[in-house]
Amino acid sequence: ELKVEQNPLFLSMQEGKNYTIYCNYSTTSDRLYWYRQDPGKSLESLFVLLSNGAVKQEGRLMASLDTKARLSTLHITAAVHDLSATYFCAVGNFGNEKLTFGTGTRLTIIP
Amino acid sequence: GAGVSQSPSNKVTEKGKDVELRCDPISGHTALYWYRQSLGQGLEFLIYFQGNSAPDKSGLPSDRFSAERTGGSVSTLTIQRTQQEDSAVYLCASSFDETQYFGPGTRLLVL
Repeated sequence: ELKVEQNPLFLSMQEGKNYTIYCNYSTTSDRLYWYRQDPGKSLESLFVLLSNGAVKQEGRLMASLDTKARLSTLHITAAVHDLSATYFCAVGNFGNEKLTFGTGTRLTIIP
Repeated sequence: GAGVSQSPSNKVTEKGKDVELRCDPISGHTALYWYRQSLGQGLEFLIYFQGNSAPDKSGLPSDRFSAERTGGSVSTLTIQRTQQEDSAVYLCASSFDETQYFGPGTRLLVL
């Protein structure tokens, strides 16, 4: 059974600081997703990582994938308040795209 | 363009009643997914439709849950004889490639 673990579950950080959220998964998978969820809102797609060594960046967020270690990271650079949200990683496979989600990381940026 | 839409946005029902939740995917998206999000279980896959293929129902928690997709577009998730543990946010997503776009969800409360 595929398991996806994220850590930390909760993260409180000051504006301007850097931090990393980790996502580990238990079995080989083709693709790794990062989503953002604001309170009371739906999921917003951030990144889709499709191959080993893939790195994608958007603004202050950068995601990477190591398929050999079954690990993805979401790195936050110089955090700003607008990044406060819950971040989910999810794992899927080509041909059957149902996603298995991690537990989520609730990120709070403190001014 | 228009995103994934779901209705109703909120539904309160009594235990034992049946409910129907509707999802309108993004036009042209061949794949449609249902997930649910609850405090206790996190984000869980329920069912997946891809084109004219038989749906992947492996995530449905019991035979009280069913879904159909008519004409390759609109989908309805039906929960029969609702139980209090069915209370959750039911999310629909659609895709034409690897990225799944989520709707706003239906918040279901079973009293």
